[in-house]
Amino acid sequence: DAGVIQSPRHEVTEMGQEVTLRCKPISGHNSLFWYRQTMMRGLELLIYFNNNVPIDDSGMPEDRFSAKMPNASFSTLKIQPSEPRDSAVYFCASTFGASGELFFGEGSRLTVL
Amino acid sequence: AQRVTQPEKLLSVFKGAPVELKCNYSYSGSPELFWYVQYSRQRLQLLLRHISRESIKGFTADLNKGETSFHLKKPFAQEEDSAMYYCALSSYNTDKLIFGTGTRLQVFP
Repeated sequence: DAGVIQSPRHEVTEMGQEVTLRCKPISGHNSLFWYRQTMMRGLELLIYFNNNVPIDDSGMPEDRFSAKMPNASFSTLKIQPSEPRDSAVYFCASTFGASGELFFGEGSRLTVL
Repeated sequence: AQRVTQPEKLLSVFKGAPVELKCNYSYSGSPELFWYVQYSRQRLQLLLRHISRESIKGFTADLNKGETSFHLKKPFAQEEDSAMYYCALSSYNTDKLIFGTGTRLQVFP
């Protein structure tokens, strides 16, 4: 298994543009997480899904952020419109059960100018 | 509310020196604590979990419920230990993980 796959790895966009980040979890995993990493705030949980259903989205910063998981093998995180303060590395992770061991993707580095 | 605090953003030591990365948590129930590590150009990965009570790469961490701490320790640091370390907490029987802000460990030769 190639592990959790995220795309794009890098994205540079201008303020106001829509950004879509994609994630393919490990096959067989039933929970998927989106985290945002910044120097100041570390790793923040944005939202997580269990069996494709959003369980906790309390970390989603604003209505500009939305996430979907249409099936067990794909999830998206969308920012519309994007702002410079959204610049960060966005990580997707997946797991099975409540083991506490999350498997992370390589991250998507977003820069909003 | 669940919270994980890592007070040090950067910890620098020389090879062979002892290392202690601090982690404090707040949680009203019975928590499960973890340490994750991110080496340069590698993915974030699990280092150890408190319920296992094991030593990984020479690192250990003891859960102290009285002090609500889960400090990561290694008696003799190696250069290859240089990485970003995150402490994380989950509540019992859930898969939601809350991370601290991380500590960057630099081990000089």
